Amino acid sequence: QKEVEQDPGPLSVPEGAIVSLNCTYSNSAFQYFMWYRQYSRKGPELLMYTYSSGNKEDGRFTAQVDKSSKYISLFIRDSQPSDSATYLCAIPRTSYGGSQGNLIFGKGTKLSVKP
Amino acid sequence: NAGVMQNPRHLVRRRGQEARLRCSPMKGHSHVYWYRQLPEEGLKFMVYLQKENIIDESGMPKERFSAEFPKEGPSILRIQQVVRGDSAAYFCASSPAQSYNEQFFGPGTRLTVL
Repeated sequence: QKEVEQDPGPLSVPEGAIVSLNCTYSNSAFQYFMWYRQYSRKGPELLMYTYSSGNKEDGRFTAQVDKSSKYISLFIRDSQPSDSATYLCAIPRTSYGGSQGNLIFGKGTKLSVKP
Repeated sequence: NAGVMQNPRHLVRRRGQEARLRCSPMKGHSHVYWYRQLPEEGLKFMVYLQKENIIDESGMPKERFSAEFPKEGPSILRIQQVVRGDSAAYFCASSPAQSYNEQFFGPGTRLTVL
């Protein structure tokens, strides 16, 4: 089983829809969870950063962590065409003797929001 | 308010040549990370550096690749004797001390090996 798995999509939704993006992970020791957004041919941009279980909201974005299921989600409300990008989940590798700076990324889900 | 800077943005090398990729972290950041993104694959960690110190190089290929972050100047990722399989986007990220998880990425260097 891969350490972090993410459905690559693509995912296409109409403008205004609620988008749900998800990742699963294998190591129950993971505690920090991040979501990055990457526009085509650009560097990843940190969107949300959560610790342990629960929800965190920032504007139209909500990050959710369910540690019992090893499942993390990013919800986008009122999606806009400008949200069209690839969304990457990332988890710091902390349980194999690696440093906290070693991020494991999902492959990314490509989202397209149609006007 | 400059972010992470990488240069060059695009680099073309012939097989067997050397590639040098540069990264200047955000102001106030003392930690630098390098990642590689191959076509159709996710970002893969390569190396984590602080000034004059390699903290974690567990993702670096054993041969031909090296990285440094000198006391003065940018961090350098060096690839010797490049091969076609090295063609990828190489991203640098930086973070402040004690906040390794909040990494801010540069625009990347796209390396093409002919």
